[in-house]
Amino acid sequence: GAGVSQSPRYKVAKRGQDVALRCDPISGHVSLFWYQQALGQGPEFLTYFQNEAQLDKSGLPSDRFFAERPEGSVSTLKIQRTQQEDSAVYLCASSQNPRAAEQYFGPGTRLTVT
Amino acid sequence: KQEVTQIPAALSVPEGENLVLNCSFTDSAIYNLQWFRQDPGKGLTSLLLIQSSQREQTSGRLNASLDKSSGRSTLYIAASQPGDSATYLCAVSTGANNLFFGTGTRLTVIP
Repeated sequence: GAGVSQSPRYKVAKRGQDVALRCDPISGHVSLFWYQQALGQGPEFLTYFQNEAQLDKSGLPSDRFFAERPEGSVSTLKIQRTQQEDSAVYLCASSQNPRAAEQYFGPGTRLTVT
Repeated sequence: KQEVTQIPAALSVPEGENLVLNCSFTDSAIYNLQWFRQDPGKGLTSLLLIQSSQREQTSGRLNASLDKSSGRSTLYIAASQPGDSATYLCAVSTGANNLFFGTGTRLTVIP
């Protein structure tokens, strides 16, 4: 079926606003990952889900960042009270199996905080 | 923490040349290594995945090698084309459910 999709593709938020970023993984993929990519850098891990369970959130930079995947498919990354340093591309990836499997990435959401 | 380094940071070559991109990682206890391509404003496209037990993978004009013990991988691109222009990212999985990425090599192939 279709690949990983993300929405919105672009988001501009004023500092202090809350934002919600959506990820639709490949159908049937058990694992879902969120990464943050700052300009000129490689992606950095934020959090990982296996089905609906959030098994690793060690990469979330602060308690303003929250992710969920309530039914084990679509996931939402929420950022509260956005700050300028949150400006980045947020990438979602999914894979069939929990480990050692190829990850497939979505196009990303470019967040700009003004 | 796993550190992944890619050199060079940028590379410009004339069309038709063969080229090699380098990736090194500090912790050899990896599950696999992936090479990705990223076009401006777009997500990552997986090019090759090498499991830790493998030494190389090939797809078309691309060949990736892995030397786990020395913490190195190379991506070889044969007969480069302008359409190969993109940023190439190397990433390793340590089995902790996430990938560690390098900062990428920005490749420009000049027609």
